[in-house]
Amino acid sequence: AQKITQTQPGMFVQEKEAVTLDCTYDTSDPSYGLFWYKQPSSGEMIFLIYQGSYDQQNATEGRYSLNFQKARKSANLVISASQLGDSAMYFCAMTHGGGSYIPTFGRGTSLIVHP
Amino acid sequence: ETGVTQTPRHLVMGMTNKKSLKCEQHLGHNAMYWYKQSAKKPLELMFVYSLEERVENNSVPSRFSPECPNSSHLFLHLHTLQPEDSALYLCASSQGQKNEKLFFGSGTQLSVL
Repeated sequence: AQKITQTQPGMFVQEKEAVTLDCTYDTSDPSYGLFWYKQPSSGEMIFLIYQGSYDQQNATEGRYSLNFQKARKSANLVISASQLGDSAMYFCAMTHGGGSYIPTFGRGTSLIVHP
Repeated sequence: ETGVTQTPRHLVMGMTNKKSLKCEQHLGHNAMYWYKQSAKKPLELMFVYSLEERVENNSVPSRFSPECPNSSHLFLHLHTLQPEDSALYLCASSQGQKNEKLFFGSGTQLSVL
């Protein structure tokens, strides 16, 4: 069985500073995918970044980067130069091998960016 | 139009009512999903429809009934719900391929009185 753990229920960061949101996962499959989604107060989940288990380099998408540490089974999201609009819930998710396309989500981390 | 559209955005219903949630995707995707999001709980997968299969979470009560008439439309029929069913119901779609990202709608906020 696969499992996603986000241990930080809430995080606060000053505008323009960097913040790291933690995510650990547990799977016995060698092939899996890791995702981060953002959910603002409007409700819609927005895809941010993806990391494949066989990818050699950490994924980056603009101000978002994924700190992928395979041996530790962690996939932390790093947001650089935080903006007020980054205030939202952030969810880590995983799809595992065997052809599965259905992700399992963590409980989420609430991020508040202060001016 | 946005990629995934859900209606209604808000719904209040009594426990004896019958209502339906609608989801429509304009992305040409092959898989559509219903997720339930309750306060302080992980997103709970309810149902998935793809070209090849229907997947359902066996813990979902029978008072929730999905319908997928074609690859662009997905419904969730509700009847005799309980107050604990109050939640945000999110629809999503994807290509249905391994390790593909999901595209979500804005959700329907359901309150059961």
